[in-house]
Amino acid sequence: EPEVTQTPSHQVTQMGQEVILRCVPISNHLYFYWYRQILGQKVEFLVSFYNNEISEKSEIFDDQFSVERPDGSNFTLKIRSTKLEDSAMYFCANSMNGGSQETQYFGPGTRLLVL
Amino acid sequence: GDSVTQMEGPVTLSEEAFLTINCTYTATGYPSLFWYVQYPGEGLQLLLKATKADDKGSNKGFEATYRKETTSFHLEKGSVQVSDSAVYFCALSGTQGGSEKLVFGKGMKLTVNP
Repeated sequence: EPEVTQTPSHQVTQMGQEVILRCVPISNHLYFYWYRQILGQKVEFLVSFYNNEISEKSEIFDDQFSVERPDGSNFTLKIRSTKLEDSAMYFCANSMNGGSQETQYFGPGTRLLVL
Repeated sequence: GDSVTQMEGPVTLSEEAFLTINCTYTATGYPSLFWYVQYPGEGLQLLLKATKADDKGSNKGFEATYRKETTSFHLEKGSVQVSDSAVYFCALSGTQGGSEKLVFGKGMKLTVNP
């Protein structure tokens, strides 16, 4: 069964540094999402992306965050200047058709630690 | 805003025990409801879903029924196995103009002992 992959699995960075989290979605999926889970808290929606545009974003997804599909396969989340509170597990997800009834397929996550 | 409340655990059961994980939601409109499971070291996987009232989702011996009158989507399994040890997340989507974003509960860690 096709899988979503994410790299790196773990990243440690200094506050103020830029990080790029990468995701390789399932090949025929067209709708992409990022979520995060701060330790001990709920999984939270960050952003959805379709046709090279952001479809929806949460209040968390401020100007420090950006997403893109640089080469038509990878889907990336960039945090421009990391803060301590950005430490979390970041999950990429994707679906074939979009829509609220569709299954979203998740990657294993990237654990980001900001020091 | 929309929210999901579920039992948090952690819960430890013996093999073959009955499992219920309660999940209730608050939402405008008619959301789709999901149970996701996360096995150790892996991402979230869809376990089952229901997209309208009275629908029953089922998979791998797990079941949940979409109850609009009680705004609930409780997960049940009649006889758990060691391999069911995981974290279980209840989630919804489709409110607020058909938004695709998933709104999750906090997750419940289940350990099943032989």
